[in-house]
Amino acid sequence: DQQVKQNSPSLSVQEGRISILNCDYTNSMFDYFLWYKKYPAEGPTFLISISSIKDKNEDGRFTVFLNKSAKHLSLHIVPSQPGDSAVYFCAARDSNYQLIWGAGTKLIIKP
Amino acid sequence: DAGVTQSPTHLIKTRGQQVTLRCSPKSGHDTVSWYQQALGQGPQFIFQYYEEEERQRGNFPDRFSGHQFPNYSSELNVNALLLGDSALYLCASSLARLGETQYFGPGTRLLVL
Repeated sequence: DQQVKQNSPSLSVQEGRISILNCDYTNSMFDYFLWYKKYPAEGPTFLISISSIKDKNEDGRFTVFLNKSAKHLSLHIVPSQPGDSAVYFCAARDSNYQLIWGAGTKLIIKP
Repeated sequence: DAGVTQSPTHLIKTRGQQVTLRCSPKSGHDTVSWYQQALGQGPQFIFQYYEEEERQRGNFPDRFSGHQFPNYSSELNVNALLLGDSALYLCASSLARLGETQYFGPGTRLLVL
């Protein structure tokens, strides 16, 4: 039973346009959500997070939106840049402070 | 300021063997977590060490064990290797405060033949 799902294995976006990565979860007890970015041969790097008491968090070109009623969060990157090409993981924190991860979405930014 | 380091980078073992993976946390961090990432999947939490003790454990069998040393570095041991243990093993470090952002190493790629 996948508690955190990223239904798009890959996404291709034109440079300069907006990239939207989606994540769905099933456990309403998750209290904190994180996005990590991973380049090949490197470990995941923390990108941005959001508490379950908020619906939006912004950091430069990155914005995360949380819709608790739909159990859905999304990461917006605008404008998209070639260096944003990577695998993006959504993770949720459970009551034991363990991170439950999605399978990742590979983002490809086309020049 | 060194980040999280892991060794070795790659490893090939045969079924039934035992393996030890090593991790040095980011400077100033005292908590180490281990994850297994199978191909095409997200990382799965194995366990976390703090003050040389296992603080939390995910849904992994006892074949997976660990250790944390006084300098906060850590080892992951896997006994009686199975083909299904082939994966990328990631180490992450953080501060003791639960929920603190974790910083990941590049991982050890283990192949079991």
